Amino acid sequence: SYVLTQPPSVSVAPGETASITCGGSDIGGKSVHWYQQKPGQAPVLVIHYDTARPSGIPERFSASNSGNTATLTLSGVEAGDEADYFCQVWDRSSDHCVVFGGGTKLTVL
Amino acid sequence: QPQLQESGPGLVKASETLSLTCTVSGNSISSSGYYWGWIRQPPGKGLEWIGTFLYGGNTYYNPSLKGRVTMSADTSENHFSLELTSVTASDTAVYYCARLAYSYGSLAEPWDHWGQGTLVTVSS
Repeated sequence: SYVLTQPPSVSVAPGETASITCGGSDIGGKSVHWYQQKPGQAPVLVIHYDTARPSGIPERFSASNSGNTATLTLSGVEAGDEADYFCQVWDRSSDHCVVFGGGTKLTVL
Repeated sequence: QPQLQESGPGLVKASETLSLTCTVSGNSISSSGYYWGWIRQPPGKGLEWIGTFLYGGNTYYNPSLKGRVTMSADTSENHFSLELTSVTASDTAVYYCARLAYSYGSLAEPWDHWGQGTLVTVSS
């Protein structure tokens, strides 16, 4: 089965830039989506189709996807960005599975 | 914008069947091009996909749950359901229903709308 690997935690000072990686075999050949989840809330889609921001998501959120790593980048991090972030792909080859990364806790220092 | 709302028992005994319903408003579950599904999250852990279906089309389940999970839909009530049999403590989780963004046939779309989630605890 396909596996997505994320660092458990990332810390960043306010105003700085945070990068959260999502590793997977040839992930660059798949569409990657990113979700933000705050405590007690449902996940919210913040990046879809590798690099696109859904309506209402600030420009501070950006992403890339190439080779074996997809990356979510938050520029000018704010306290309100503190949350868990999950990457997700669809793997056609393994029973059409939807696969989530293990999640990364972003802490704003 | 569609709204999704999960409902069902918050407590299920081990070895019994977990049953949840997701009521959808603002979008017919029989609309072509929209897939629906269930995703769960054990307390303090990550997201786990349970299954995805297209009304009148195919249904896909997480292989790790195959044999225990069934998804169904009721268009008259515009809701869809999840049944998970022979539950154990490891099935304790917040269960989310969600909608896949409009698809032209691919399941590579993102989950663009989610319910608020419902906690189901399996007791021994």
